Amino acid sequence: DTAVSQTPKYLVTQMGNDKSIKCEQNLGHDTMYWYKQDSKKFLKIMFSYNNKELIINETVPNRFSPKSPDKAHLNLHINSLELGDSAVYFCASSHRTTGTNTEAFFGQGTRLTVV
Amino acid sequence: DAKTTQPPSMDCAEGRAANLPCNHSTISGNEYVYWYRQIHSQGPQYIIHGLKNNETNEMASLIITEDRKSSTLILPHATLRDTAVYYCIVSFSGGYNKLIFGAGTRLAVHP
Repeated sequence: DTAVSQTPKYLVTQMGNDKSIKCEQNLGHDTMYWYKQDSKKFLKIMFSYNNKELIINETVPNRFSPKSPDKAHLNLHINSLELGDSAVYFCASSHRTTGTNTEAFFGQGTRLTVV
Repeated sequence: DAKTTQPPSMDCAEGRAANLPCNHSTISGNEYVYWYRQIHSQGPQYIIHGLKNNETNEMASLIITEDRKSSTLILPHATLRDTAVYYCIVSFSGGYNKLIFGAGTRLAVHP
């Protein structure tokens, strides 16, 4: 059983299109994240949701809109795609505990190519 | 920006111990040290984390200096499958895993 699954794995699309990436976790975690890994291989956090509530929103263009229908799902919708959006997008989840941290589990990534 | 400094690359012979250093001189009292790795563009994989004490699990050992300004991840018997980029991350214990990744150390394990 895949703990954190993303679909699609690969996505090739034209500039200006709107696309969505879906993420689901079956670990019972209450917190989910989106990270972006660019061509230079740096991983940066974009968003985090806890129990469907947005808690982290880094400086990300508002063309990116996360949506969490329930705590097991966090989807990423991107409007008006640009060449610079080409990257690998990773979804992750973890369980929030008070006073300590637990590990985050990552999906296998979605490689987005904008042409 | 990442609060850690790691060497960009290291080599290790298969079967030997791999010792990966990390400096985190500005770590604060409630921040943990985490290690993750990323194998060939797969999703990052959690390895181990600690606050003050040394930690060991089935994957690795984490040695944290007494002043907590540096740490070492030890893979006791490296295999070819341990070839990956290893990230040392300092993370606030506020309950949300806002992981700030640096460039990491690219570990190459060779036969």
